Amino acid sequence: SQKIEQNSEALNIQEGKTATLTCNYTNYSPAYLQWYRQDPGRGPVFLLLIRENEKEKRKERLKVTFDTTLKQSLFHITASQPADSATYLCALGSAGNNRKLIWGLGTSLAVNP
Amino acid sequence: GAVVSQHPSRVICKSGTSVKIECRSLDFQATTMFWYRQFPKQSLMLMATSNEGSKATYEQGVEKDKFLINHASLTLSTLTVTSAHPEDSSFYICSAGSSGTANTEAFFGQGTRLTVV
Repeated sequence: SQKIEQNSEALNIQEGKTATLTCNYTNYSPAYLQWYRQDPGRGPVFLLLIRENEKEKRKERLKVTFDTTLKQSLFHITASQPADSATYLCALGSAGNNRKLIWGLGTSLAVNP
Repeated sequence: GAVVSQHPSRVICKSGTSVKIECRSLDFQATTMFWYRQFPKQSLMLMATSNEGSKATYEQGVEKDKFLINHASLTLSTLTVTSAHPEDSSFYICSAGSSGTANTEAFFGQGTRLTVV
């Protein structure tokens, strides 16, 4: 069955460092992959989308890579700030217009001042 | 980005009663809405997909008679939890999408924390 794995343990880093989160998947060939941020008691907020034919995407301090051979995406936050502390979710989508996503469990990131 | 408003944000109800949750797209027409449930420290679990004007498609294991979904307009979808029980206590989240280019981001509501006592 389709499976998505994200860093199972919480990630603690020092302010100013780069946070790197991992999303691995099996038994699936996504057309695209998305990263979301979720704060406690809130709905997810979209951050970045990367398609299967793209290797890397950047947006301000965020960078996402997508390796369809390794079946892995890496999510980087450079110059991290305490305000970046949240849970980060990866989600996979297939081709077609149904927009149905498969979600990872999320990785909790804590940026310490 | 597009704005999706979900109401109420929190609700406490007695066991056996029904609760309605509303999801509105404020600045776009949502042809498709998704309803999710999320338990503590768990991933989002898709419950059903609703398209405006048609019946919702429920995921396996989700009781359609218990979780009633109505998507009567392009800006409003409702989820009614009927005869709620304590095990239905969870965080319910809707997301909306519009027609047109596929594979775009999902816009989420703020979520509804349901507690059944």
